[in-house]
Order: sequence, then structure tokens, then C-alpha cells
Amino acid sequence: GDSVTQMEGPVTLSEEAFLTINCTYTATGYPSLFWYVQYPGEGLQLLLKATKADDKGSNKGFEATYRKETTSFHLEKGSVQVSDSAVYFCALRHTGTASKLTFGTGTRLQVTL
Amino acid sequence: DAMVIQNPRYQVTQFGKPVTLSCSQTLNHNVMYWYQQKSSQAPKLLFHYYDKDFNNEADTPDNFQSRRPNTSFCFLDIRSPGLGDAAMYLCATSRDRSSGTDTQYFGPGTRLTVL
Repeated sequence: GDSVTQMEGPVTLSEEAFLTINCTYTATGYPSLFWYVQYPGEGLQLLLKATKADDKGSNKGFEATYRKETTSFHLEKGSVQVSDSAVYFCALRHTGTASKLTFGTGTRLQVTL
Repeated sequence: DAMVIQNPRYQVTQFGKPVTLSCSQTLNHNVMYWYQQKSSQAPKLLFHYYDKDFNNEADTPDNFQSRRPNTSFCFLDIRSPGLGDAAMYLCATSRDRSSGTDTQYFGPGTRLTVL
């Protein structure tokens, strides 16, 4: 079955540092890939997505590229801010199946001054 | 703003006492989902409605039920909550369910405590 693997957290960075959160997946075919962010006490917000190989999703300074050859969708940001502190979830979803988003276990990011 | 609304944000119930969580949406989406998220874990899909068509996940306990009286509202009923049902419950919507590119929009969640 489908699965998503994320790097273990927490990830602690100083403000303005470079961020990478690794995400790899196992799936048949060509799923769409997503990054969701969850701020403390809140629900999930879509951060970015990519629907086919070599697509790059981007939003709010975050980027991720759909790499079919390495089955990866790593999240990057050039300069993090304290306000980026949250839990980040990588997820995949297939076309033609009933709706299911398969999530990774989440990576907590803490950014300090 | 179009959105997904969940009420209440925090719910406390007693062991074995039925509880209902509410979700409403102004997006006019066809699909509504309920996820359970336990502490420090990934969200887990319980079931979804495509219009009035109910779709249960194979491993969702019978203790969990859902109702969708109209397009805008969907309810999660827990018939006899156990301590293991304490979690954040997330409602989400999407326009379609067969398109892998279709985005799911999440509400803020209801945190359920079982005493």
C-alpha cells in the first residue's frame, strides 16, 4: 500500500537558517503530492502541492519538487522565521481512488531567535 | 470568506456518553471527510461522504458514525466514547474525490477529551 516517510523531528533552527524537511513516498503510479502545515492548536492548511513529476510547488517562500526518480518531495525554505514554527505533513493522493490522503507522521519545526 | 467551520473547538465528554461533533462548509463542495488525529500522529481518515453517498474506511470502529443532512453540514457521532478516542477530529472538504489533484480544505478541528 501507499506510504509516506518523513524525517523525524523536532527540527530546531535559528531564524534565517535554511530549512530542508525530507519526504519520500512509496506508491504505484503517479500520485499527487502535498505539504500541509499545522500551527499549534489549529487544523491543517495546504502549503503547496505538485501533481506530476518535475513539478515544483511553492508558497510563502517554501518550495518542493516532485522527483519521480527518487520518489521524493522534500520541503525547502531559504530563510525561516519564528512564525514558521509548526508541524509539517507530507501527503500523497492518487487519481481515481476514493479521496484518501495518505499522510506522513509529521515533522515539528521550531525556529528560535 | 468560504471556509470549513467546526464546532465546538473543544469538547469534553464522559466515558461512554454519546457525543456529536459538527462541521459546516461554505465552499459548496461535494465531498466531506472526517479524520482522527491522535497526539503527535498523522491524521487518519475515518470516512467520507460524496454527496449523500457514505464511504467508511475498513478499519473505522463501529463506534463512529456520521450523518450528512445536506450539502453544508456533516456530523460525527461517537456512540460510546472510550479513553482511546480522545483526539483532534478534523473535518475536510473537496470539490471532487476522483481527481488526485483536488485539494482538501481542513477545518480548525475539534479537540475531544474523554474523562
